[in-house]
Amino acid sequence: SQQGEEDPQALSIQEGENATMNCSYKTSINNLQWYRQNSGRGLVHLILIRSNEREKHSGRLRVTLDTSKKSSSLLITASRAADTASYFCATDAGEYGNKLVFGAGTILRVKS
Amino acid sequence: DAGVIQSPRHEVTEMGQEVTLRCKPISGHDYLFWYRQTMMRGLELLIYFNNNVPIDDSGMPEDRFSAKMPNASFSTLKIQPSEPRDSAVYFCASSLYSSGNTIYFGEGSWLTVV
Repeated sequence: SQQGEEDPQALSIQEGENATMNCSYKTSINNLQWYRQNSGRGLVHLILIRSNEREKHSGRLRVTLDTSKKSSSLLITASRAADTASYFCATDAGEYGNKLVFGAGTILRVKS
Repeated sequence: DAGVIQSPRHEVTEMGQEVTLRCKPISGHDYLFWYRQTMMRGLELLIYFNNNVPIDDSGMPEDRFSAKMPNASFSTLKIQPSEPRDSAVYFCASSLYSSGNTIYFGEGSWLTVV
């Protein structure tokens, strides 16, 4: 079963608007990562947040983590058409946290 | 660096045939992962290696699937015999060190079994 579950499954917004995607997970983690996948391509790492961090920024990306609720959110500000992609959260699992387990993803469409 | 390189990018094969997918990880990375992506099941971890040794193959769906890593720069995922339900995108990924590190994905091998 998947560790992370994203919400919503799909999101359609206008260029310039903000996009928020949420991720919930089930077990304790060391860190949580967000990845992006353009259609027909491999996944690309966006940002990592550790379990002792509450918020992290990278350019137009803002990630929050609430370990008490076992949830994270990814905010993309001032969205662009080029942000159209699928976004996945991934949590570390396994005995040493070596493997990443991915959620089902959120499909984001930014209309220009 | 060229990134993770996978081949073939696309393969169409008939049911019952053997399929071999290949991967060259990023030089110096000591972890290698094979993932499968389908609409129904999303991204599933099939197996991962550390320093060429298989660590966790619990995601390998059945005995028809096997994976090897004969050296630090090459891995294969083999399906024999292939079935239509194996149709999916197979991703290879690699990373350096362990927990908390970014993994880098290849562009995937798109497999269609007819």
